Amino acid sequence: NAGVTQTPKFQVLKTGQSMTLQCAQDMNHNSMYWYRQDPGMGLRLIYYSASEGTTDKGEVPNGYNVSRLNKREFSLRLESAAPSQTSVYFCASSEPPHSRGEQYFGPGTRLTVT
Amino acid sequence: GIQVEQSPPDLILQEGANSTLRCNFSDSVNNLQWFHQNPWGQLINLFYIPSGTKQNGRLSATTVATERYSLLYISSSQTTDSGVYFCAPGNQGGKLIFGQGTELSVKP
Repeated sequence: NAGVTQTPKFQVLKTGQSMTLQCAQDMNHNSMYWYRQDPGMGLRLIYYSASEGTTDKGEVPNGYNVSRLNKREFSLRLESAAPSQTSVYFCASSEPPHSRGEQYFGPGTRLTVT
Repeated sequence: GIQVEQSPPDLILQEGANSTLRCNFSDSVNNLQWFHQNPWGQLINLFYIPSGTKQNGRLSATTVATERYSLLYISSSQTTDSGVYFCAPGNQGGKLIFGQGTELSVKP
């Protein structure tokens, strides 16, 4: 099992460009999450999906959109990147029953917006 | 939402020493995890421990949910233990709230 995978690992964007971060899990988890980590800080929740077909905002959703494509995949889109979105982005999934299970994290995507 | 406070913020140990990291949280929780973020940025699950005590090798953790704190014990520390340790409690739909972390440096 690969666990949680993320692509790309690194990305540099110019202000105003768009991109989609991809996340997939092979653990048959119901719930998936996107977090961002800024230097010297803990992770903050951007969006989450409790189950296939549902998505909800987290603590810092502005400037992002998400799509739960199917049970395995959860993507994060930046429509018009801003320097404030320079961060490391982590995807996670949790085992059933959703909402109380242990979360497993992907390796992260390091994004720089210039 | 839940407020999370981790202490100490930084810790330097000599290899072989023991340490205790503390996590205080402001509300009742039904989820709590401890993570180790290694120097390459990878987040490694240490414990899923909303209550009680667990042990895994040189590491153990205790959560006293009624008193709203959790402790992570590291015994006989090794240089590979270096990195940042995060506590992340949660009480709403699986969402975790991360503390600021404790940065541990273990010297040979």
